[in-house]
Amino acid sequence: DTGVSQNPRHKITKRGQNVTFRCDPISEHNRLYWYRQTLGQGPEFLTYFQNEAQLEKSRLLSDRFSAERPKGSFSTLEIQRTEQGDSAMYLCASSLVGARNEQFFGPGTRLTVL
Amino acid sequence: SQQGEEDPQALSIQEGENATMNCSYKTSINNLQWYRQNSGRGLVHLILIRSNEREKHSGRLRVTLDTSKKSSSLLITASRAADTASYFCAPSSYSGAGSYQLTFGKGTKLSVIP
Repeated sequence: DTGVSQNPRHKITKRGQNVTFRCDPISEHNRLYWYRQTLGQGPEFLTYFQNEAQLEKSRLLSDRFSAERPKGSFSTLEIQRTEQGDSAMYLCASSLVGARNEQFFGPGTRLTVL
Repeated sequence: SQQGEEDPQALSIQEGENATMNCSYKTSINNLQWYRQNSGRGLVHLILIRSNEREKHSGRLRVTLDTSKKSSSLLITASRAADTASYFCAPSSYSGAGSYQLTFGKGTKLSVIP
């Protein structure tokens, strides 16, 4: 599969626990984006990387959220001390610089915080 | 906010009919993209229209863009049950951080009845 992959697909955790999600973009794509989507809403931008540099973060990304892309390939999104309000679908997308920002999305990780 | 706003929020049609969805946005864009999302899945890129284009076709899809009215429409002709999904428009604009960002509205939920 040469598309964007995300793991795990589903995560159920208890409030207060830490969780980490992984995204593997399309191999030649140098831009990587994280979005959060709640029921009945469109995706909301969280952060984006160009290669290994995190260039923009949304105000939605509280201090409990951290994202990395250590070698400019895969990325991880960690949520510390999860809260029930963090329950959502977390989507990853990738694109090529100069490709008119056409983004290719992964299947998402659905997080449920009990 | 540059967020695209889709109208209607929900649309139900019979198979074989055409479906039209509209999108409005607020500021200048470099392009506008339409995505489809099947229930609980990631987003799939459908079509991109540049700010200097007025109409674009791709298979059964027809997109129009009116930058003077800051609006776009997506027409799906000869709809099929498999077209049942949520459709999002995503205006793309420069974020000021070296990237063009997409902002999504709440989408139009299309149901095609066999």
